[in-house]
Amino acid sequence: SQQGEEDPQALSIQEGENATMNCSYKTSINNLQWYRQNSGRGLVHLILIRSNEREKHSGRLRVTLDTSKKSSSLLITASRAADTASYFCATVRNDYKLSFGAGTTVTVRA
Amino acid sequence: DGGITQSPKYLFRKEGQNVTLSCEQNLNHDAMYWYRQDPGQGLRLIYYSQIVNDFQKGDIAEGYSVSREKKESFPLTVTSAQKNPTAFYLCASSMMDNSFSGNTIYFGEGSWLTVV
Repeated sequence: SQQGEEDPQALSIQEGENATMNCSYKTSINNLQWYRQNSGRGLVHLILIRSNEREKHSGRLRVTLDTSKKSSSLLITASRAADTASYFCATVRNDYKLSFGAGTTVTVRA
Repeated sequence: DGGITQSPKYLFRKEGQNVTLSCEQNLNHDAMYWYRQDPGQGLRLIYYSQIVNDFQKGDIAEGYSVSREKKESFPLTVTSAQKNPTAFYLCASSMMDNSFSGNTIYFGEGSWLTVV
């Protein structure tokens, strides 16, 4: 079964708008990571947040982590057409098992 | 250049055949992983390895086998026992940090396997 579950499954926004997606997970984690995947390609690492951190920023990306609710969110501000992709959250346990959710497909309309 | 190399990019398999997907990394990473991705779906963990000569089953290990004879190599064999092997396969690696500070996972470009 999937450790992480992203919500929503798909998101369509206008260029310049913000995109927010959520991830929920089931077991204790060491850290949580967000990745982007363009169709038919490998995954590209976006940002990592450790279990003792609550918020992290990287450029136009903002990630939050609430370990009490076992959830995380990824916010992409001022979206661009190039942000069109699938976004996945991945949880890393203390035994280094790395599990992914089903992903959120984001479409940015010009 | 440092990175993870998967080969072949595209592979066709006849029913009943075993095939092996190659994954090599020159990042000196300890941990390596294999994932399967079906169209429009997320990644499902097949096997992972934290150290040479040791590996653990993931969530969908049935019909697959791996070996970790060298730190830089983690080949995946898709056996004839795998009933529906057509998918996109992704290999990944990462450092292992004893302080549990968290390490980025690096992915290869993937291999497409089709059963004909």
